[in-house]
Amino acid sequence: AQKVTQAQTEISVVEKEDVTLDCVYETRDTTYYLFWYKQPPSGELVFLIRRNSFDEQNEISGRYSWNFQKSTSSFNFTITASQVVDSAVYFCALIPLTGNQFYFGTGTSLTVIP
Amino acid sequence: EAQVTQNPRYLITVTGKKLTVTCSQNMNHEYMSWYRQDPGLGLRQIYYSMNVEVTDKGDVPEGYKVSRKEKRNFPLILESPSPNQTSLYFCASRLQGIPVYEQYFGPGTRLTVT
Repeated sequence: AQKVTQAQTEISVVEKEDVTLDCVYETRDTTYYLFWYKQPPSGELVFLIRRNSFDEQNEISGRYSWNFQKSTSSFNFTITASQVVDSAVYFCALIPLTGNQFYFGTGTSLTVIP
Repeated sequence: EAQVTQNPRYLITVTGKKLTVTCSQNMNHEYMSWYRQDPGLGLRQIYYSMNVEVTDKGDVPEGYKVSRKEKRNFPLILESPSPNQTSLYFCASRLQGIPVYEQYFGPGTRLTVT
């Protein structure tokens, strides 16, 4: 069975603080892909990153960074020096290579207070 | 411009009145999918299609139908809508193959069934 857990339902931070959004997944497949999407208040879903299970290198893109740890089945997302524009719902998702179905977490709502 | 379009964007209807939500993509993607988003439940996959005439159930297919007669279109049909189908619906598409590519999402359709 496949499952993605985002235990943090809502997070509030003050602008310029760092914040980490947790994503824990379950899968029996050895090859799989993980994704993060952002849903700003306007409602659209914006792709942020894709990572395959063989690539455990951390990735940084500007103020965003992702920490993939296979040993703990986690794919956490950190925003450094948060800004009001980061306020959104963030979704983590999983798809095994052998399947065609995507599994999303329930999302984390991030509010950045000015 | 590469995009996924959905129509209508907003729909209020009554129980039992058949409706169709259209989805179209202009990126020549093989894979298309429908999701519903509900508070606290995240995004759940309803149906997906890997190519023309190839469809399969996601996690919550009850009460929905789909068809894929053309590569670019993937309509979602509610033959007899009920209030529990009130939700925000997203269509998505992606290239099929390896690596697993990210999905591009439409703008969403907010459906209210009274």
